[in-house]
Amino acid sequence: DARVTQTPRHKVTEMGQEVTMRCQPILGHNTVFWYRQTMMQGLELLAYFRNRAPLDDSGMPKDRFSAEMPDATLATLKIQPSEPRDSAVYFCASGLVQFALNTEAFFGQGTRLTVV
Amino acid sequence: GESVGLHLPTLSVQEGDNSIINCAYSNSASDYFIWYKQESGKGPQFIIDIRSNMDKRQGQRVTVLLNKTVKHLSLQIAATQPGDSAVYFCASDSGGYQKVTFGTGTKLQVIP
Repeated sequence: DARVTQTPRHKVTEMGQEVTMRCQPILGHNTVFWYRQTMMQGLELLAYFRNRAPLDDSGMPKDRFSAEMPDATLATLKIQPSEPRDSAVYFCASGLVQFALNTEAFFGQGTRLTVV
Repeated sequence: GESVGLHLPTLSVQEGDNSIINCAYSNSASDYFIWYKQESGKGPQFIIDIRSNMDKRQGQRVTVLLNKTVKHLSLQIAATQPGDSAVYFCASDSGGYQKVTFGTGTKLQVIP
C-alpha cells in the first residue's frame, strides 16, 4: 500500500529552535510538494520539487524556511529559527508528472507543529 | 483569546440524499482539476479529477462537472453517507503541476 510518510506527526518546540520535518514520497513519484494548513489561510503551497530540483518556492518565507531533497526518497522542510506564527499543519504530497500531464497527488498525514 | 479563521461554507445533507458542492476558479489557464476530501486529523485524500477537455467525469458515487465558460466546478455525491462528512477542497493546476491552487473548502455535514 503506497503512501506518503511524514515524520514527526506532532512537534512542540520553543520559539527560536530549529525544526526539521521529513517526508518520504511514494516510490516512483517525481514531484514533491510542501503545503501548510492553518485556520487563517487554509492550504498554502510552500514549495515543490520535480526530479529533486526545486521548481517553485515562492510561497515560502525565505529568511527562515528551507526545503531540500537530499535524495529521491527524502524531502525535508526546515524552519530556523521557528516562530509562534509558524504553528500549523505541514503536509507533504507526491505525484507523478509525465509528458506534461499530471495525475493525482497523494498527501501524507501531516506534521502538526506548535511553536510556543 | 478567540481565534478567527476561515469561514468555511457548510453544507448539511440528510443521509441518503445527493450532495452538490461547488467551486469557482479564477485562472483561465487551469487545465486540470481535482477534488480532495479531508477528514479531521488527516491529510487531503484524492476523490476524482477532470481535465479541461472534458465537462463531466464519473466515479463511484461521485460526479465532477466542469464549466469552463464560467470557471465553475462541482462535485456531486450520490446517496450521501455519514462517512462522507468531511471538508471538500477543489484544486486547479495549469499543466504539469505548475501551480496547484486549493480553494478554501466546503464542510459537508451528513445528518443521520
